[in-house]
Amino acid sequence: DQQVKQNSPSLSVQEGRISILNCDYTNSMFDYFLWYKKYPAEGPTFLISISSIKDKNEDGRFTVFLNKSAKHLSLHIVPSQPGDSAVYFCAARTNAGKSTFGDGTTLTVKP
Amino acid sequence: DVKVTQSSRYLVKRTGEKVFLECVQDMDHENMFWYRQDPGLGLRLIYFSYDVKMKEKGDIPEGYSVSREKKERFSLILESASTNQTSMYLCASSSIRTGIISYNEQFFGPGTRLTVL
Repeated sequence: DQQVKQNSPSLSVQEGRISILNCDYTNSMFDYFLWYKKYPAEGPTFLISISSIKDKNEDGRFTVFLNKSAKHLSLHIVPSQPGDSAVYFCAARTNAGKSTFGDGTTLTVKP
Repeated sequence: DVKVTQSSRYLVKRTGEKVFLECVQDMDHENMFWYRQDPGLGLRLIYFSYDVKMKEKGDIPEGYSVSREKKERFSLILESASTNQTSMYLCASSSIRTGIISYNEQFFGPGTRLTVL
């Protein structure tokens, strides 16, 4: 039973446009959500997070939206840059401390 | 600067060998984690540890064990390596705010690409 799902394995956008990466979850006990970015041959790095008591968190070009009723979150990148090309993982955390990760979405931003 | 290091970037072992993967963090974090990453399967948690000498099974602990004798070091052990353990192994650490509840993000090492022949 996969509790965190990223249904799009890949996404391709033009430089300067918006990238929208989606994530769905099933466990209503998740209280904190995070996005990580991973370049090839490197470990994932933290990008942005959101608490379950909020519906939006913004950090520069990156905004995460949370829709608790739909158990859905999304990451918006505006404007997209070629350096944003990477694998993006959605993760959800319960108060037990460990995170459950999605399968990842490979974003390609074309110049 | 936060740092998680893993003992090897690439490792090739033979079936049946005992394999040790070492992870060290310099951030005084309480929590440490071992994941494996496989195409189409994302990051799957093998084991994690809240404190020295404490360990908890993750989602796929079979065929693995761990050791945490010091706070900064978390070792993953493959007692008898098999070909289906060929994978990218990622170590991570995170801090805690209160008790065993962790709000903070995980910091990952660069990964070890293990090939079992």
